[in-house]
Amino acid sequence: QQQVKQSPQSLIVQKGGISIINCAYENTAFDYFPWYQQFPGKGPALLIAIRPDVSEKKEGRFTISFNKSAKQFSLHIMDSQPGDSATYFCAASMSMDSNYQLIWGAGTKLIIKP
Amino acid sequence: DGGITQSPKYLFRKEGQNVTLSCEQNLNHDAMYWYRQDPGQGLRLIYYSQIVNDFQKGDIAEGYSVSREKKESFPLTVTSAQKNPTAFYLCASSIVGKSNQPQHFGDGTRLSIL
Repeated sequence: QQQVKQSPQSLIVQKGGISIINCAYENTAFDYFPWYQQFPGKGPALLIAIRPDVSEKKEGRFTISFNKSAKQFSLHIMDSQPGDSATYFCAASMSMDSNYQLIWGAGTKLIIKP
Repeated sequence: DGGITQSPKYLFRKEGQNVTLSCEQNLNHDAMYWYRQDPGQGLRLIYYSQIVNDFQKGDIAEGYSVSREKKESFPLTVTSAQKNPTAFYLCASSIVGKSNQPQHFGDGTRLSIL
């Protein structure tokens, strides 16, 4: 119940295309869903996050879509650029967890072909 | 600039040797975390600490030890009991007291066996 399942494991998209990464969870107590971006040899950095009271959040070319009933959320990268090539992680946490732990997806390696 | 500094960037361990990875933060965060990253497995929590002189085991604490003598420092020791230590180790920190705060990461230490 504590898992976050992420797919696909890897993704190749042409420059200018839309990249879509999906995550699913079981624990309905999760109420915070961040996405992190990691470049090779670097630590992950927060990209965008959403709470379950909204169905979509957009920041520039990055959009999170959230489906509470299906317990799924996804990251969409519009007009994908070679600089977006990185590993993306979804995660989830719950306010009631006093340990403030994040439950991580396994990651998606995204390659944008020029 | 505030941030998290991990050192060294690369570390090699001989059989039977303990090695210590350094993590220092100047973000004034109370919580600090150590993760292990292996290809295709995402981030796995080793230890975390929410306050000085206190820390808790994560999902894969066996073969590792930590200390939290100062708020800004959270070193990780990989002991000889950890039989498969080759991995990328990430340190993170976050605010406590407010729910759903992002974790901020260092740039990692890559540990290999000699």
